[in-house]
Amino acid sequence: DTGVSQDPRHKITKRGQNVTFRCDPISEHNRLYWYRQTLGQGPEFLTYFQNEAQLEKSRLLSDRFSAERPKGSFSTLEIQRTEQGDSAMYLCASSNRGIDEYGYTFGSGTRLTVV
Amino acid sequence: GDSVTQMEGPVTLSEEAFLTINCTYTATGYPSLFWYVQYPGEGLQLLLKATKADDKGSNKGFEATYRKETTSFHLEKGSVQVSDSAVYFCALSEEGGKLIFGQGTELSVKP
Repeated sequence: DTGVSQDPRHKITKRGQNVTFRCDPISEHNRLYWYRQTLGQGPEFLTYFQNEAQLEKSRLLSDRFSAERPKGSFSTLEIQRTEQGDSAMYLCASSNRGIDEYGYTFGSGTRLTVV
Repeated sequence: GDSVTQMEGPVTLSEEAFLTINCTYTATGYPSLFWYVQYPGEGLQLLLKATKADDKGSNKGFEATYRKETTSFHLEKGSVQVSDSAVYFCALSEEGGKLIFGQGTELSVKP
């Protein structure tokens, strides 16, 4: 168990460019969550998967955002035509169905800076 | 919708002082409640949790009791250490395991 891995750790991009982040969850966890955290705020839910099925998307997830988990293992989060307001820490977390007993395991996040 | 409100920080304490970080919530159902901690430069870690009313979660000297009558889940520690300096997040769980977080409270403990 190597924990939840996110790649890259940091990303600086120019406004209008597309970016893609990757999350590798703990192998036996069937649920995977994406959150966004801006400076001085708590994480905000974006979307989650159970296995390969995307079960819920937040209203925060505009049409420029898309997430996939093609084989129920790793997940990608893509942001198209980035805007300065997209600058944030993007967090991935995974869990098994026992969320209420065990909580999540979070990755260290990908910090996105849009210039 | 469901929400979580935490006391604003930063909170600055001397080592061995008593800590309370207030957390109240609004929820339509009976969520589980969590405290997460984020140490400088690290990811969020689960500190403790409680799944039903009157449950007390505890870990590393921290405690919090699920109070349904006051919709609260205040975090306490009897004697803080410099190593407790971090940002603390209160959260509740919704259907599907989605977490709703408070805005976080920064704690700074001075020697």
